[in-house]
Amino acid sequence: QSALTQPASVSGSPGQSITISCTGTSSDVGSYNLVSWYQQHPGKAPKLMIYEGSKRPSGVSNRFSGSKSGNTASLTISGLQAEDEADYYCCSYAGFYVFGTGTKVTVL
Amino acid sequence: QVQLVQSGAEVKKPGASVKVSCKASGYTFTSYYMHWVRQAPGQGLEWMGIINPSGGSTSYAQKFQGRVTMTRDTSTSTVYMELSSLRSEDTAVYYCARGPRNWDAFDIWGQGTMVTVSS
Repeated sequence: QSALTQPASVSGSPGQSITISCTGTSSDVGSYNLVSWYQQHPGKAPKLMIYEGSKRPSGVSNRFSGSKSGNTASLTISGLQAEDEADYYCCSYAGFYVFGTGTKVTVL
Repeated sequence: QVQLVQSGAEVKKPGASVKVSCKASGYTFTSYYMHWVRQAPGQGLEWMGIINPSGGSTSYAQKFQGRVTMTRDTSTSTVYMELSSLRSEDTAVYYCARGPRNWDAFDIWGQGTMVTVSS
């Protein structure tokens, strides 16, 4: 099972919106509305930001939103802040779990 | 508060085995699945498998079948991940992560355990 494809890096200025894509196949992202997104700061454990495609766990800012179209899921961060600078990973259920390749978000 | 506390860093020789523990607190241990995820230095996340602490059933990623064993001790609310026949490519941070039964996601993570495989 290959990793889901994410852009290596995405950047934006404070206050802007950015979108990170996560492309899979009809066997994973396309078959299940079970994509989750994780934020990971250097040297830290990942943190759940979005589950089941678009749901936010309690405590996660509403600046983070998720969506899906076909075999591609997306994470949008609006009102970009310095603290959003981190690595982001998508993950899809596919009978097992497969992660994305990861995206480094830089706040300019 | 809900937390997962993992055992400390390990250094192992190629061919050896390692057993990492993950102690849960702040919630009903048997009401949530537990996953193991690893991350090699500078690399992405990789799912290894899942254990149901309630009955002990497991499911492993195909890549690790035959080399990984996940167990649990309900008396201490602890899950274990043992990886055998270690090779240098197994050098990574190993995380346990809680999985709610009605979500397919990992909502609480342990702090990670660094396992270094070196001769």
